[in-house]
Amino acid sequence: EIVMTQSPATLSVSPGERATLSCRASQSVSSNLAWYQQKPGQTPRLLIYEASTRATGIPARFSGSGSGTEFTLTISSLQSEDFAVYYCQQYNNWPPHTFGQGTKLEIK
Amino acid sequence: EVQLVQSGAEVKKPGESLKISCKGSGYSFTNYWIGWVRQMPGKGLEWMGIIFPDDSDTRYSPTFQGQVTMSADKSISTAYLQWSSLKPSDTAMYYCARQKSNYRDWFDPWGQGTLVTVSS
Repeated sequence: EIVMTQSPATLSVSPGERATLSCRASQSVSSNLAWYQQKPGQTPRLLIYEASTRATGIPARFSGSGSGTEFTLTISSLQSEDFAVYYCQQYNNWPPHTFGQGTKLEIK
Repeated sequence: EVQLVQSGAEVKKPGESLKISCKGSGYSFTNYWIGWVRQMPGKGLEWMGIIFPDDSDTRYSPTFQGQVTMSADKSISTAYLQWSSLKPSDTAMYYCARQKSNYRDWFDPWGQGTLVTVSS
C-alpha cells in the first residue's frame, strides 16, 4: 500500500499571501495525483488532477506541480474562502487509492 | 448535471445491520466506478473500496475487506454500502464518489455524505 504524507499538518497564512502545501508518496505514483479541498461541514471538492490540471471551475490561483514522489499545491494569493483542509490522493496503484492525512490551512 | 445523491443519516445500535445508498444521475451509471470513502469524526479521508456497476467488479482496501460489502443495482443507478454487524467504531460520515472507467482516475463528483452513528 502506498503511503501519502502531507506537510505541514497545519499552515497559518495571511489573506493575500501565498500558501505552499506538500505531499509525498512512499513510492512513485507518476503524475497520478489529485488534490481535494474540504471546508467544514462540506463535501470534498476536486481541485487538481494529474498532478497539475485544474478541475472545471477551479480558479487559476490554484496550481499543482510534481511527479514521482514529491508534489506541491500552491495557492498564489489566499482568499477568505480558501481556508479549508486539503487532501492529496494517489490513484496510481490500487487498492487502495490512498489519501494523505490532510493539511489544514488556517488564517494567520 | 452529474449528481450523486446519498441516503439520509442513520442512527443504529451495535450489532445491527445497515445498508446505505448512492444514486447517480445525469450520466451513464454503468460506465463509471463508484467509490466509498470514510471520514471518522474530526479525521481525514479513508479510501474504502470501489465498484463498477456494469459487472459489479469490486476492489476493497485491505483495511475494509471483510468489514463491509459493496454492491450495485444498475437498473436503478444505485450503489450500496452495507454492514452486517455495526460497531461503535463505524460511526463516521460516508461519502460515495464517481471515478472514470480507467482504474487510474480521480473522484469527481462526490455525494453529499451519509452520517452513520452507532451507539447503544
